[in-house]
Amino acid sequence: DSGVTQTPKHLITATGQRVTLRCSPRSGDLSVYWYQQSLDQGLQFLIQYYNGEERAKGNILERFSAQQFPDLHSELNLSSLELGDSALYFCASGQRRTDTQYFGPGTRLTVL
Amino acid sequence: GEDVEQSLFLSVREGDSSVINCTYTDSSSTYLYWYKQEPGAGLQLLTYIFSNMDMKQDQRLTVLLNKKDKHLSLRIADTQTGDSAIYFCAEDLWGRGGSQGNLIFGKGTKLSVKP
Repeated sequence: DSGVTQTPKHLITATGQRVTLRCSPRSGDLSVYWYQQSLDQGLQFLIQYYNGEERAKGNILERFSAQQFPDLHSELNLSSLELGDSALYFCASGQRRTDTQYFGPGTRLTVL
Repeated sequence: GEDVEQSLFLSVREGDSSVINCTYTDSSSTYLYWYKQEPGAGLQLLTYIFSNMDMKQDQRLTVLLNKKDKHLSLRIADTQTGDSAIYFCAEDLWGRGGSQGNLIFGKGTKLSVKP
């Protein structure tokens, strides 16, 4: 158990819908990272937040957004969902400029 | 480019050593990581190495880093059936201007351990 929690574990929805994925970082970690894992693209970095502020952006679509709240939990919002958005979404947490990122168990999103 | 490359498959017999190789592209990466993913599970951090090190040993795991060739390897001694999983190599982007440490992952090497 990494100490990072993600909810829900599974999510099934339809095209065009909007979903919110939630992540709680390890106690003491200020950074939250979001990654997408799909069969064709592999593991891709989406976005990072540090202590409530966006710090880095990767291959995140404009239909996707995230935020980190004062209690440091983070939410990833995915809207206008397409079939190709079906993937495992991982959250990781870490301390700034530290050596490790600890991953949550992931949320499996299926878009039908 | 930002490609981290790994071979896709490796098959070994139980009790043998496994060596999983990885090449990365950014010589300014500060840390390099190995993660393990079992079927249906998340990513488990196995070990990492700082870029100024050549080798790191942690119980059955040995990481070797050849910075000149940008080559990283993970050796698992006395491989067990429970080691069957996908192993991901990842580099951080601390060394790149404006980046904040997000990880670039390889596609993963699927290790199969035969009894």
